[in-house]
This record gives sequence, structure tokens and C-alpha cells, in this order.
Amino acid sequence: EAQVTQNPRYLITVTGKKLTVTCSQNMNHEYMSWYRQDPGLGLRQIYYSMNVEVTDKGDVPEGYKVSRKEKRNFPLILESPSPNQTSLYFCASRGLGEKLFFGSGTQLSVL
Amino acid sequence: GESVGLHLPTLSVQEGDNSIINCAYSNSASDYFIWYKQESGKGPQFIIDIRSNMDKRQGQRVTVLLNKTVKHLSLQIAATQPGDSAVYFCAERGWGKLQFGAGTQVVVTP
Repeated sequence: EAQVTQNPRYLITVTGKKLTVTCSQNMNHEYMSWYRQDPGLGLRQIYYSMNVEVTDKGDVPEGYKVSRKEKRNFPLILESPSPNQTSLYFCASRGLGEKLFFGSGTQLSVL
Repeated sequence: GESVGLHLPTLSVQEGDNSIINCAYSNSASDYFIWYKQESGKGPQFIIDIRSNMDKRQGQRVTVLLNKTVKHLSLQIAATQPGDSAVYFCAERGWGKLQFGAGTQVVVTP
């Protein structure tokens, strides 16, 4: 089944403790992206990647890192999480068209 | 209706009725628009899209209308079913960048 898989689904951590949210897609898509979703706001792009080893900042990149060593994986790294990074995170990918395929989300709470 | 980036309005619809969800977009240069459905606890799912050279597009039980004059997009769902209960949000692509609205919560009542 074609899908974008994120892990974990839920994560509670403390301020300053490094964490990684993994994202994997099995559709051979070149484009991958991370978004955060906060109440009352639309999805906001954190980082995106047009292809392997190519990453760019989105609208809200501060406090986040990404890497794209392989086509299928695009992990999101929070080196030193802070409470304002408590949010619902989505990974997405797309192929040649414009349609984005989203993962099921990761609910992160930073205490 | 919905405007990109603000509150989350709610639309209550009786089962079997038609739903109309509105979206006001901001960028007159936007050339592509998408509607997504997000059910509770799930990621957004693509519903339908439309390019700016069209004013109407139909899918299965859904129709998207685009009025570029007033920068308005709407999603019509025919014969709304309980499974249509979700948050619906539009996205516009302007200057190559996709911007998402906050969404409209649709509640289907029996």
C-alpha cells in the first residue's frame, strides 16, 4: 500500500532532550516535506526536500533540522526541544504532480 | 466560511443534505488550489484540485468552484454522509508555494 509512515504517533519529552521523528515513504517520491499544525492555524511548512541531499527551509524552520540521505527517508530532528514546539507534525511527499500524500501525524508535547 | 490563517468555523449539516464549504484565498497570483479532508487522528487526505484556468471541477460526490474575481473557492459535497464528518481545508499555490487554510469543521447530524 502506498503510504507515508511517521513514527512515533505520540511523543512526550522534556525541554532540551534531543529527539528525532522519522518519516518514510514507499512511493519513490522525490519531494518530501515537514509541516506543523497548531490550533486555529493552517499547516505551516518547516523544511522540504526536492531530492536526496537537497533540503531547504520552509516558513518556520527555527529549532528544527532535517536530513535526506536516502530518497525514502526524511527525519525531523529537534536538537533542543522547547515548549513552543509542542504541536502536531505531519510529513508529506509528492511525486510529479501537485498532490501531497500525508502521514498520520506525530503529536509532540514538550514539557 | 474559512479564510486562510484564522479561526476554525463549524458547519453543521444534516445527513443527506448538500454541504458547501467556503475558502477565501489571498493571493491573486495563485494558480492551483486543493481541498483536503482531515479526519480526527489522521493525516490530511486529498479530495480534489483545480487549476486557475478552470472555474469548476467535479469528482465523486464533490464539486469545487473557483471564482477568481473575488478570490473565492468552495467545496460542495452532495448527499452528505456521516463519514464526511471531518475538518476540510483548502490550499492555494502562489509563486510556487503552497499555503494552507486552517479549515472548517463539518459535523454531520442524523
